Amino acid sequence: GAVVSQHPSRVICKSGTSVKIECRSLDFQATTMFWYRQFPKQSLMLMATSNEGSKATYEQGVEKDKFLINHASLTLSTLTVTSAHPEDSSFYICSARDPRKTYEQYFGPGTRLTVT
Amino acid sequence: AQSVSQHNHHVILSEAASLELGCNYSYGGTVNLFWYVQYPGQHLQLLLKYFSGDPLVKGIKGFEAEFIKSKFSFNLRKPSVQWSDTAEYFCAVNAYNYGQNFVFGPGTRLSVLP
Repeated sequence: GAVVSQHPSRVICKSGTSVKIECRSLDFQATTMFWYRQFPKQSLMLMATSNEGSKATYEQGVEKDKFLINHASLTLSTLTVTSAHPEDSSFYICSARDPRKTYEQYFGPGTRLTVT
Repeated sequence: AQSVSQHNHHVILSEAASLELGCNYSYGGTVNLFWYVQYPGQHLQLLLKYFSGDPLVKGIKGFEAEFIKSKFSFNLRKPSVQWSDTAEYFCAVNAYNYGQNFVFGPGTRLSVLP
């Protein structure tokens, strides 16, 4: 099946710094990718929808200036957490839609971000 | 707005017991329905999906789910669980008129005792 990778799998950063997370579709071209956030023992919350070559669409309550999303190619989307704070510590998961398979999304393994 | 509820936060079963995890959604239009599983330390994997047709869908690892439109439900079942089924289970809904967005339920943690 379709494979989505994320890098890094874990990252620890200091408060006030920025960190970039990459999401790649390995064996298909993803015109649309999604970024989710998962708090411990909670469900996934959609943060934003990323479309190749255009601006991301953010969900209500998600700060677009804090969570910068770039979808520069059909196989890569990046999420940059700017000026990170401890409350940004979370599990960030991306998914990608294979345009050949309507309504299906393939999930990456997630990135554990810890801000100290 | 769409919402998805899952009846149980944590289910504990012994091996060979039967499983049913409830999922209800709150959208009256056409929906696509999914069950995902997240094993400890691993990423989400698709168990099964319903788009149209037979409301009883079979997925991987012996799981099945039944879509009951009148009840807005999509319950997950397995006749005999194994210790390896210990995981977090998420129901997800994609409503046609809401584009490509998935809305996930809060998840149900399943613990299977050997």
